[in-house]
Amino acid sequence: DGGITQSPKYLFRKEGQNVTLSCEQNLNHDAMYWYRQDPGQGLRLIYYSQIVNDFQKGDIAEGYSVSREKKESFPLTVTSAQKNPTAFYLCASSNWGQMNTEAFFGQGTRLTVV
Amino acid sequence: KQEVTQIPAALSVPEGENLVLNCSFTDSAIYNLQWFRQDPGKGLTSLLLIQSSQREQTSGRLNASLDKSSGRSTLYIAASQPGDSATYLCAVRFNNAGNNRKLIWGLGTSLAVNP
Repeated sequence: DGGITQSPKYLFRKEGQNVTLSCEQNLNHDAMYWYRQDPGQGLRLIYYSQIVNDFQKGDIAEGYSVSREKKESFPLTVTSAQKNPTAFYLCASSNWGQMNTEAFFGQGTRLTVV
Repeated sequence: KQEVTQIPAALSVPEGENLVLNCSFTDSAIYNLQWFRQDPGKGLTSLLLIQSSQREQTSGRLNASLDKSSGRSTLYIAASQPGDSATYLCAVRFNNAGNNRKLIWGLGTSLAVNP
C-alpha cells in the first residue's frame, strides 16, 4: 500500500542525547515535511524539503536537523540543543509545483524526555 | 499575517445530527484548502482537498465548501455517527511567492458524537 511510515511510534530520550525519527514514503512525492504538535497549539513546521539533497528551515528549526539523501526518506534528528523536545512529531509528504498538492501524513512519533 | 481560525473549538452532538464545522482565513489569495481528521494519538487523515478554483468537494457524508471572497470554508457532516468523533483540522496553502507551499493550520475542532 502507498503511504508514509514513521518509526518508532514511541521514543524516549535521556537528557543530552540526540535521537533520530524515521520517515519513509512510497508515494513518489517530491516534498516532505516535519511538524511538531503540542497540546493546545496548531501544527508547527520544523523543516521541509522540496527535492533530494535540499531542505529548508521551517518556523521552529532550532535544535533539529534533517537530511534528504533519498526521495523516499526524510529523517529528523532531535539534538541535545532542543530544550523542550517532548511532543508529538508528524511527517508529511506532497507533490510540489503541481496543481494537486494534497498532503498525506504518517501516524506520528511521540517523543518523551526521561 | 496569514492566519487560519476554526470555530467552534469543541462540539458535542447526539448521534444522527447534521453538523457544520467552520474554518476562516485572513487572505483570499489561496492555492488550496485541505480538511483533515485526527484521532487521539494518531496521525492526520486527509478528508477533502479544495483547489482555489473549486467551490466544494464531496466524499460520502462529508461536504466541504469554499468561499474565497469571504475567507471561509465549511465542513458539513451529514447524519453524524459516534465513529466521527475526532479532531478536525483545516489547513490553507496561501498563494505567496517563495514559501507558497507551506500549510497554515487552524487549531482544530474537537468533535464528540454521543450515542
